[in-house]
Amino acid sequence: DIQMTQSPSSVSASVGDRVTIACRASQDIGNWLAWYQQKPGKAPNLLIYAASTLQTGVPSRFSGSGSGTDFTLTISSLQPEDFGTYYCQDANTFPLTFGGGTKVEIK
Amino acid sequence: EVKLVESGGGLVQPGGSLRLSCAASGLTSSRYWMTWVRQAPGKGLEWVANINQPGSEKYYVDSVKGRFIVSRDNAENSLYLQMNSLRGEDTAVYYCARARVGAGLDVWGQGTTVTVSS
Repeated sequence: DIQMTQSPSSVSASVGDRVTIACRASQDIGNWLAWYQQKPGKAPNLLIYAASTLQTGVPSRFSGSGSGTDFTLTISSLQPEDFGTYYCQDANTFPLTFGGGTKVEIK
Repeated sequence: EVKLVESGGGLVQPGGSLRLSCAASGLTSSRYWMTWVRQAPGKGLEWVANINQPGSEKYYVDSVKGRFIVSRDNAENSLYLQMNSLRGEDTAVYYCARARVGAGLDVWGQGTTVTVSS
C-alpha cells in the first residue's frame, strides 16, 4: 500500500504569512493527489484535486503543486478562517490513503 | 442543494453489528462512486470503503475486510455500511462522501458517531 507522509505535523503562523505544507507519497502517484481542510467538529472540505486544480469556491490564496511523490499545499496569505487541519490523500489507488494531517494555528 | 445525511450510528458492544445509512439529496448518487471515511476520536482521517456506480466493485481498507460490507440502493439514492464483529478500534465518526474518480471527495455528509464499548 502507498503511504502518505505530511510535514510538518503542526504550524503556527500570523495572518498574512505564507504557509507551506508538504505531502510525500511512498510511490509515484502521478498527479492523483487531493487536499482537504477540516475544522473542529466538521466534515472535511475538498480544496484541491489533481494536485493543483482548485475546487470550485475555494479562495485563490490556496494553491497546490507537485507530481510523482512530492506535493505541496501553499496558503499565500494566511487568513483567520484558515485555521484547522489539512490532509492530503492519494486519490487514485486503493486504499485511498490520507496523510496524517497538518494542524494550522493562527498566532 | 447537494446534501448527504448519515444515520444509524450509536453505542454497540464489542462483537455487535450496526448498519449505517447515507441518504443523498440534490444529486443523483447513482452517477458516482461513493465512499465511507472514518475518524477516530482525536485522530486523522481513514478511508474505509468505496463502491462503484452499479455496486459491482467494492474496495475496503484491510482492517475492515471480512467484517464490513458497503452497498447501495440507487433507486433510493442511498448508501449503506453494514458493520459486523465490531471492535473498540472501530469507534469513530463515519462520513459518507461522493467520490469523483481521481479527483477527490467533493461532497461530504455531517458524519454519524459509532461507539464500540461494553
